[in-house]
Amino acid sequence: GNSVTQMEGPVTLSEEAFLTINCTYTATGYPSLFWYVQYPGEGLQLLLKATKADDKGSNKGFEATYRKETTSFHLEKGSVQVSDSAVYFCALYRDDKIIFGKGTRLHILP
Amino acid sequence: EAGVAQSPRYKIIEKRQSVAFWCNPISGHATLYWYQQILGQGPKLLIQFQNNGVVDDSQLPKDRFSAERLKGVDSTLKIQPAKLEDSAVYLCASSWDRGYEQYFGPGTRLTVT
Repeated sequence: GNSVTQMEGPVTLSEEAFLTINCTYTATGYPSLFWYVQYPGEGLQLLLKATKADDKGSNKGFEATYRKETTSFHLEKGSVQVSDSAVYFCALYRDDKIIFGKGTRLHILP
Repeated sequence: EAGVAQSPRYKIIEKRQSVAFWCNPISGHATLYWYQQILGQGPKLLIQFQNNGVVDDSQLPKDRFSAERLKGVDSTLKIQPAKLEDSAVYLCASSWDRGYEQYFGPGTRLTVT
């Protein structure tokens, strides 16, 4: 079946550090891939997406590249800010369903 | 444009009691979703509506959970009777149509004691 595996948190970094959150997926066919972010007390927001192999999604300084050969969609940011503290969910869209990973909590220290 | 509204934001009940959650989707959105998010896990789809019809309720525990979207706009999700394992955040989302971006509400945090 379709599934998403992402690195467990919490991840704690200092401000301006480089961020990577790993995500791999299992799916039939070619799903679309997403990263969602959930800030404290708020609902999920779509951060970025990629719909086909080698596509790069980007938003707010975050990037992720759809790698079919490694079935991965790792989230990266070159310099994190305190305001990036949140929970990040990797997800795939297939057969009219979104399948979410378990989420990775990110803490950024000033 | 107003986002997806949910109420209440928090609810504490005892096991075997009943509870209902309300969702008002973004105006004009035909598709509405209810998700359950247990602590430490990603959201899991419970039910999907297209207008006022059910598209997918395969993951809804129908012995205790029910949902309706009578006029194809607002929706309610009910649990009766609640169990301890129902403690979770219940998220509502809507999209313009099937296959389009889903917009999530802030969720209702349910604690069953």
